[in-house]
Amino acid sequence: GAVVSQHPSRVICKSGTSVKIECRSLDFQATTMFWYRQFPKKSLMLMATSNEGSKATYEQGVEKDKFLINHASLTLSTLTVTSAHPEDSSFYICSAIFSAVEQFFGPGTRLTVL
Amino acid sequence: RKEVEQDPGPFNVPEGATVAFNCTYSNSASQSFFWYRQDCRKEPKLLMSVYSSGNEDGRFTAQLNRASQYISLLIRDSKLSDSATYLCVVRGDTGRRALTFGSGTRLQVQP
Repeated sequence: GAVVSQHPSRVICKSGTSVKIECRSLDFQATTMFWYRQFPKKSLMLMATSNEGSKATYEQGVEKDKFLINHASLTLSTLTVTSAHPEDSSFYICSAIFSAVEQFFGPGTRLTVL
Repeated sequence: RKEVEQDPGPFNVPEGATVAFNCTYSNSASQSFFWYRQDCRKEPKLLMSVYSSGNEDGRFTAQLNRASQYISLLIRDSKLSDSATYLCVVRGDTGRRALTFGSGTRLQVQP
């Protein structure tokens, strides 16, 4: 089946540093990928829609200058958390559109900001 | 009001039990409906899509009631491996392909 990978799976960083998370579709091309965030015991919340070759679309309340998204190819989208702070600690999950009705999720990246 | 609402549980049931989860959604224009399963600290995985006619996959039966904006999942003959959080998921109109997740219902199947 279709596979989506994320790297890194876990990252611990100091406050003020920037962290880049990669999302790759391994055996299919995805013009659209999504970035979600999940806080403990909460639901996944959509952060932004990543479109290959164009600017990402951010959900209300998500700062585009803080969460930089680049979808440079049909198999790769990156999310950079700039100047990370402890409140940015969360589980970040990407997904890639596979078909009209199906999308696949990456395994997630657990970010801890000290 | 949340777009997708679920009872958070936990539901603690013995092996072999039948358990039902319910979910309501607020956007009447929603087009597609799913149940996902999420294990602790893992990504969500599609369990099944949900159709108005109802659909069954082994021990799992899902039902959609568009008039009431209500979705259900029935698990028969629960196994220990069914222990997980079950997410009710909705996709809006055709122009929006992102998914809206409920906060999940936790199921713990006990021996």
